[in-house]
Amino acid sequence: EVQLVESGGGLVQPGGSLRLSCAASGFTFSSSYMHWVRQAPGKGLVWVSRIKSDGSSTSYADSVKGRFTISRDNAKNTLYLQMNSLRAEDTAVYYCTRDHKNGGGYSNTNDYWGQGTLVTVSS
Amino acid sequence: DIQMTQSPSSLSASVGDRVTITCRASQTIGSYLNWYQQKPGKAPKLLIYGASSLQSGVPSRFSGSGSGTDFTLTISSLQPEDFATYYCQQSYSTPQTFGQGTKLEIK
Repeated sequence: EVQLVESGGGLVQPGGSLRLSCAASGFTFSSSYMHWVRQAPGKGLVWVSRIKSDGSSTSYADSVKGRFTISRDNAKNTLYLQMNSLRAEDTAVYYCTRDHKNGGGYSNTNDYWGQGTLVTVSS
Repeated sequence: DIQMTQSPSSLSASVGDRVTITCRASQTIGSYLNWYQQKPGKAPKLLIYGASSLQSGVPSRFSGSGSGTDFTLTISSLQPEDFATYYCQQSYSTPQTFGQGTKLEIK
């Protein structure tokens, strides 16, 4: 059974940093592209970032470029999102998702989602 | 970025009704269109990918159609567990983008 479990959320002051983790199990993590998607309270879904299966290529939404860094440790089956210079508008539930495409390339389709971790940026 | 627009934003329906939600892309996206269901306090769940392919484990009362810029999600006979918010999403290009959501409520 595919499982994605996020952790690391919490309350942080504007300008602060936080690192989110996503522990993956039930599939070959090292073969899958992974994404982060966020959802502000009461709002819709917004894609944040994507990373290639081997970690060699990344992509970011313009709103987080230069502030957030996605990475992964395939030996630990774990995805990360380092978030720096946090702003109030970064307040959201952050979901890690698995890309639907198997074995090479990505589809930009999110077939499995974690339960999410809430990040609140406030003084 | 490709803009995705859903209609309606909310919808009231009864158990057993046939319901259709539409999604329009700001430019052509072929069949690179997915549908997700989200219940309160839960993560989204993939229902339909590639505009019309049913994700494994999803009931056959859900179906999707369309190509180019106009797409529909149809629920043939609403069940109590179907009351939720539905999102379309384009997977044609990065950044992937989502519609604003359609909240399906019990009449």
